[in-house]
Order: sequence, then C-alpha cells, then structure tokens
Amino acid sequence: GAVVSQHPSRVICKSGTSVKIECRSLDFQATTMFWYRQFPKQSLMLMATSNEGSKATYEQGVEKDKFLINHASLTLSTLTVTSAHPEDSSFYICSGETGTYEQYFGPGTRLTVT
Amino acid sequence: AQSVTQLGSHVSVSEGALVLLRCNYSSSVPPYLFWYVQYPNQGLQLLLKYTSAATLVKGINGFEAEFKKSETSFHLTKPSAHMSDAAEYFCAVINTGTASKLTFGTGTRLQVTL
Repeated sequence: GAVVSQHPSRVICKSGTSVKIECRSLDFQATTMFWYRQFPKQSLMLMATSNEGSKATYEQGVEKDKFLINHASLTLSTLTVTSAHPEDSSFYICSGETGTYEQYFGPGTRLTVT
Repeated sequence: AQSVTQLGSHVSVSEGALVLLRCNYSSSVPPYLFWYVQYPNQGLQLLLKYTSAATLVKGINGFEAEFKKSETSFHLTKPSAHMSDAAEYFCAVINTGTASKLTFGTGTRLQVTL
C-alpha cells in the first residue's frame, strides 16, 4: 500500500510558540490531503481538507488562523500550530488520497504543549 | 449526512475465538465503507473497503466484512483471533458529496485474552 510519513513523530513545545508538522506521501501523489486530530481514547476528528495549490477547507469550529495548512506540492502538506497552548496538545494524523476514495494515513504526531 | 455507529466500545475475545465488531451505517446514497485498525500511538491502517462491488469483502490479516443493505450493516469478522489483533478498530463511511471526507465511528477496542 501507499506510504505516508509524518515528521516529527513527537514534539514538545512551550506555550506561545509555534510548531510545524510535515506530512509526506512517499510513493504516490496525493491529490487531496486531510488533517485529523485525535484525543485520547477517542475517534479522529477531521480538521481540514487541502488540495495542492489551493487554500485548505476547514471544518466548522477549527480556527484557520491557529492551524495553518500549506499544501505546496502533491507530496507535501504541512500543519503549523501557531501560538500553541496546552489545550492544543493532541495526536495529529494526516492522510493522503489518490482520487479513488481511499485514504492512506501517516503514523501521527504527538504534540505536547507545556 | 452519512454516519456510522459502532456498537460496543470494548470487545473482549479469547485467542482462537471468533471476532465480531459491529458497524451500522446511515446513508441516503450508496455508501463506500471502510474498516481501519489503529495500534497504540500509530496512524490508521486500512483493513478493507466496500465500494459497491462484491458484498463480501476480504481484507488483510484474515479479516472480512459483509455489506448488508437490508440491515444497513458492515460488520467486521475474523474466524480466529490472535493476540496481535488487539487494537482499536474504526468503521468509516465516505461522504462522497463532499470531497471524499471520511466520517469515522467512535471506535471499538478489541482485547484478546489467553
């Protein structure tokens, strides 16, 4: 199956700083990439959908100025959490879709804001 | 809007026993349905998918699921559980009208005991 990587796998940052998470599709071109957030022992919550070269579409209740998404190429999308606060601590997962309704997920990034 | 409901947040089976994880869907159009597995601190791995072809779908690791329109169900089964099957399982439906966004169920944690 297609492989998606995320970097970093874990990050700890101080409150008020920004952190960038990279999502790469390694062996396919992702026409669409998705960003999810997962709280402990809960399901995935879709944050935003992004298409290469276009602005991301954010789900209701997700602050676009706080969670900046850039989809610069068909193999790279980045999520920047700006001015992070402890409540932003979570597990962030990205996925890439090839246009066949099948999403391939990255291994996730554990963000801890102190 | 499409949705899935997973009955049972926790399921415990003995090693070698049948695994049955339940998923019911709600959709006004023919759905695309998926089962994903998540191991601790990892992303999601696709087990199998239904995209309106054969109603009995075989996936990886010996799992299969049957699409039953009359029951609006897509239950996941495996004849004989292994210890390595212990994980979180998510049923999901594609919202084909909105950029193939996945809607996840709340998840079922499978425990396998000796």
